[in-house]
Amino acid sequence: QVQLVESGGGVVQPGGSLRLSCAASGFSFSDSGMHWVRQTPGKGLEWVSFIRFDGTYQDYANSVKGRFTISRDDSKNTLFLQMNSLRSDDAGVYYCAKEVLGSGLTRFFDYWGQGTLVAVSS
Amino acid sequence: DIQMTQSPSSLSASVGDRVTITCRASQSIRNYLNWYQHKPGKAPKLLIYAASNLQSGVPSRFSGSGSGTDFTLTISSLQPEDFATYYCQESYSSPQATFGQGTKLEIK
Repeated sequence: QVQLVESGGGVVQPGGSLRLSCAASGFSFSDSGMHWVRQTPGKGLEWVSFIRFDGTYQDYANSVKGRFTISRDDSKNTLFLQMNSLRSDDAGVYYCAKEVLGSGLTRFFDYWGQGTLVAVSS
Repeated sequence: DIQMTQSPSSLSASVGDRVTITCRASQSIRNYLNWYQHKPGKAPKLLIYAASNLQSGVPSRFSGSGSGTDFTLTISSLQPEDFATYYCQESYSSPQATFGQGTKLEIK
């Protein structure tokens, strides 16, 4: 069965860095585009970043562009999110999600991990 | 940027009720709209994709409709396990995505 397991969250001071990981199993990771989505306190879900199945294209929300970097290691079936210059509004639960592409612009997230908690506090 | 607005933000209902949640896009997104269910401490779960397609394994009491800017998620007969927060998500901005702010469905 498909499993996505995030790790790497924790408490970090403003301006600090964290590297999140998402270990994937049960599907062909190297054939799948992957995303990071976060849920910030008191708010809903916010899309953060995307990496194409072959790693050749990445995209970011404006709120994290220039500070976060998404990457993947297909040999280890693992997705990463390097988060630098962290701010208080980056705090929340970070989920990795596997995408499915349909016809046209149809794109949805059929599997999600359970999330890893990031806290930004001095 | 596309904005997604859900209504209501919260809703109280009873087991057996029929419930409808609305999602409005700030511009036409054709049928590029997905719905998710999210329970605290759990992974979000895909319910409906491309506005009206039921994801495999999702009970048939869930249905979606709409196109352009206005969409609805309907639960025909609420079950105890359906109390959760529901989100719409557009994929017109692919690969970026915008979610609605969520609708919290609570037990009356």
